[in-house]
Amino acid sequence: VQLVQSETEVKKPGDSLKISCKGSGYSFTRYWIGWVRQIPGKGLEWMGIIYPGDSDTRFSPSFQGQVTLSADRSINTAYLQWRSLKASDTAIYYCVRLSGSGSFFVFDYWGQGTLVTVSS
Amino acid sequence: EIVMTQSPATLSVSPGERATLSCRASQSVSSNLAWYQQKPGQAPRLLIYGASTRATGIPARFSGSGSGTEFTLTIISLQAEDFAVYYCQQYNNWYTFGQGTKLEIK
Repeated sequence: VQLVQSETEVKKPGDSLKISCKGSGYSFTRYWIGWVRQIPGKGLEWMGIIYPGDSDTRFSPSFQGQVTLSADRSINTAYLQWRSLKASDTAIYYCVRLSGSGSFFVFDYWGQGTLVTVSS
Repeated sequence: EIVMTQSPATLSVSPGERATLSCRASQSVSSNLAWYQQKPGQAPRLLIYGASTRATGIPARFSGSGSGTEFTLTIISLQAEDFAVYYCQQYNNWYTFGQGTKLEIK
């Protein structure tokens, strides 16, 4: 199992951005993919999840309306997107694979992270 | 939102010794508790899930215990590669992480 994320991004406030996470080594459409934010030197925050099989999405209240999640099943890739970046979006963003049963899932595989820097 | 509180913030232990890290939930999460290890410049790695089940490839010196609101991660015979930041996470009601415990060499 591998999750490979897109490279570091440097953007200005107000810019749009879409970062990616490509899964391999497993059936991409059968596992939820999540996104986790880590502000440098700080802890981990769950942002949202998407099921690539049908693009069902769920969000943390803290991130609802702030970002968009999508997935392209044809290329086993999930995306995290912003319409208008703010300086406070500066962070490392990790994609994760969720594994488990019923309603209980852990983050069993992590991408390498994408550093997003937003500065004027 | 379920709040996860880890203690201590920093733990100094000598190699070869035992480390005990604590995690408390603001309400019961049953056994839906995971531990992750993060080394500098790396992504976190799943260590323990279901409060006490080691993830694939995790050495037996790592063990987890607890249920409800109180949880513990124990690492015996600390190796050099174990010094890192450890996060607990509840997945009983969506997902929230503790603030982390930094395990440093004494």
